[in-house]
Amino acid sequence: NAGVTQTPKFRILKIGQSMTLQCAQDMNHNYMYWYRQDPGMGLKLIYYSVGAGITDKGEVPNGYNVSRSTTEDFPLRLELAAPSQTSVYFCASSYIGTTEAFFGQGTRLTVV
Amino acid sequence: AQKITQTQPGMFVQEKEAVTLDCTYDTSDQSYGLFWYKQPSSGEMIFLIYQGSYDEQNATEGRYSLNFQKARKSANLVISASQLGDSAMYFCAMRARTQKLVFGQGTRLTINP
Repeated sequence: NAGVTQTPKFRILKIGQSMTLQCAQDMNHNYMYWYRQDPGMGLKLIYYSVGAGITDKGEVPNGYNVSRSTTEDFPLRLELAAPSQTSVYFCASSYIGTTEAFFGQGTRLTVV
Repeated sequence: AQKITQTQPGMFVQEKEAVTLDCTYDTSDQSYGLFWYKQPSSGEMIFLIYQGSYDEQNATEGRYSLNFQKARKSANLVISASQLGDSAMYFCAMRARTQKLVFGQGTRLTINP
């Protein structure tokens, strides 16, 4: 039982490049979330999804896009990477209702 | 709109003492859930405790308890008999009607021997 799997764990991008951060969960969870965490700061919600085909913006969506074509996968797309997107990115998922959210191990992204 | 506020950037506590980490929240929803997570220096997010807005009793999980004061919109985390391994960042979070899960800025807790 893998839980929430994020790939890659580390990545260095050049300014202007694009990439997709992968997130997959095997717990049949309805809700999935993407966060970024800057050093010493809290988690800021980028996008979230309450089910396949449904996504919505969080607190800091600019510069990012998501899709949710299946229950299991919730990829985050960065277009035209900028140094301000240097951060640790966390994906999380939870089942319908009030249960805890399970987090992936994070992706450390550096844009140079 | 949902908002979580943690006003203590850092806390220093002697080992074996109890510690209270503050959290206030804002939402217009009647049904919501409040969470606390721990993030050690290794970076993973560890779920600690949950309180529902309709729960009449304060949640407890081992050495963790949540002091829920609905009228004050506060959900403070109490750690009893602190241990060196409790040193970490602690985040308060809320999920309401829209299912957004939003976090506060965090409190860095340091336990001194």
